[in-house]
Amino acid sequence: DGGITQSPKYLFRKEGQNVTLSCEQNLNHDAMYWYRQDPGQGLRLIYYSQIVNDFQKGDIAEGYSVSREKKESFPLTVTSAQKNPTAFYLCASSPVADNQPQHFGDGTRLSIL
Amino acid sequence: GDSVTQMEGPVTLSEEAFLTINCTYTATGYPSLFWYVQYPGEGLQLLLKATKADDKGSNKGFEATYRKETTSFHLEKGSVQVSDSAVYFCALTAPSSGGSNYKLTFGKGTLLTVNP
Repeated sequence: DGGITQSPKYLFRKEGQNVTLSCEQNLNHDAMYWYRQDPGQGLRLIYYSQIVNDFQKGDIAEGYSVSREKKESFPLTVTSAQKNPTAFYLCASSPVADNQPQHFGDGTRLSIL
Repeated sequence: GDSVTQMEGPVTLSEEAFLTINCTYTATGYPSLFWYVQYPGEGLQLLLKATKADDKGSNKGFEATYRKETTSFHLEKGSVQVSDSAVYFCALTAPSSGGSNYKLTFGKGTLLTVNP
């Protein structure tokens, strides 16, 4: 079955560490997205990419970085510059076309040790 | 900019009660509207969508009608079940004039708890 796979499901980070969250999709979608979810704040867009080797900052990109070397993969790195990284991170993908919904993975919960 | 406002929860209902979760929006152009559902510890699943005025989206007994005159997309279900307990998100996508922006704008979510 086609879908989006995020790994790991749970991740722990020490102070000063960078960590990378994986997102892979086999839906043949051109666009991929990373969101951060905090209680009571809904979803906020971190980065998105509509084509390989290109990506744009979302609303809260500071302290994060991404790459898009393959269509299927869009890893997110949470850097040590992100001072409050504890959150639930969701990856999504969609076709690049009007009226198309985004499809979501099951998320990665990142916590600080 | 685009925005979505949905009723704040939590909403607590008894099984078989009628559900309404209000959602209103502001957007440039002609947005497409979506309802997503999130079960505990999981990602978001698309529940239903509507892409133009007066469209009605429906799925699993849930319905929502795209009302352009009131800029609303309220979610309804006639008889909720315990298994409907989840967080519900209203969202829109409004492509820019260049057609290159397909980002989703979300409401803050509404937690629904259904008791037996």
